[in-house]
Amino acid sequence: DAGVIQSPRHEVTEMGQEVTLRCKPISGHNSLFWYRQTMMRGLELLIYFNNNVPIDDSGMPEDRFSAKMPNASFSTLKIQPSEPRDSAVYFCASSRQTPGLTPETQYFGPGTRLLVL
Amino acid sequence: GDSVTQMEGPVTLSEEAFLTINCTYTATGYPSLFWYVQYPGEGLQLLLKATKADDKGSNKGFEATYRKETTSFHLEKGSVQVSDSAVYFCALGYGGATNKLIFGTGTLLAVQP
Repeated sequence: DAGVIQSPRHEVTEMGQEVTLRCKPISGHNSLFWYRQTMMRGLELLIYFNNNVPIDDSGMPEDRFSAKMPNASFSTLKIQPSEPRDSAVYFCASSRQTPGLTPETQYFGPGTRLLVL
Repeated sequence: GDSVTQMEGPVTLSEEAFLTINCTYTATGYPSLFWYVQYPGEGLQLLLKATKADDKGSNKGFEATYRKETTSFHLEKGSVQVSDSAVYFCALGYGGATNKLIFGTGTLLAVQP
């Protein structure tokens, strides 16, 4: 299996520009998570989807951030307009949700390093 | 609400030293507990897990025991290697409809030769 695929791996943009991050989860996984990691705030869960439906977006910092999952094999995280404080590493992770009491392992992608100038 | 507290890093050790990274949790239910590891420039990956009280998770020489009485899940390794240098995250989670994990802040481990 190829694992979780994220693109681009690195993104440098200027303040005010739109940024789109992409994620392809592991085939057969039905849960998808977007995280942001910074030195100051550590690892933050932004939003997660089950079966392509957003379940919890309470971690999305503000209206400039939006996420979509149009099908089981693709998700995007968009920032419009971007600001320097959005500079971070953005991770996508996927897992297989089961009705049982034990959460399944989350598999992380390699991350997208975003720098907003 | 639920939360995870880890010891502050960095933890700096010499090769072959004994490692302990403390993790305590607060939970409203009966979660599963996890340790994830992040090597430089990579995403997190599962190191070990335990799903109920008194369970011991182990992998690659690391182990941690789910202690309900002390609400702890400390990570230990008897003899660390330079290749163990990474950031270690403790996490808790529930299955079913609420599928997300709650992560601690991470502890940086630096092993010197």
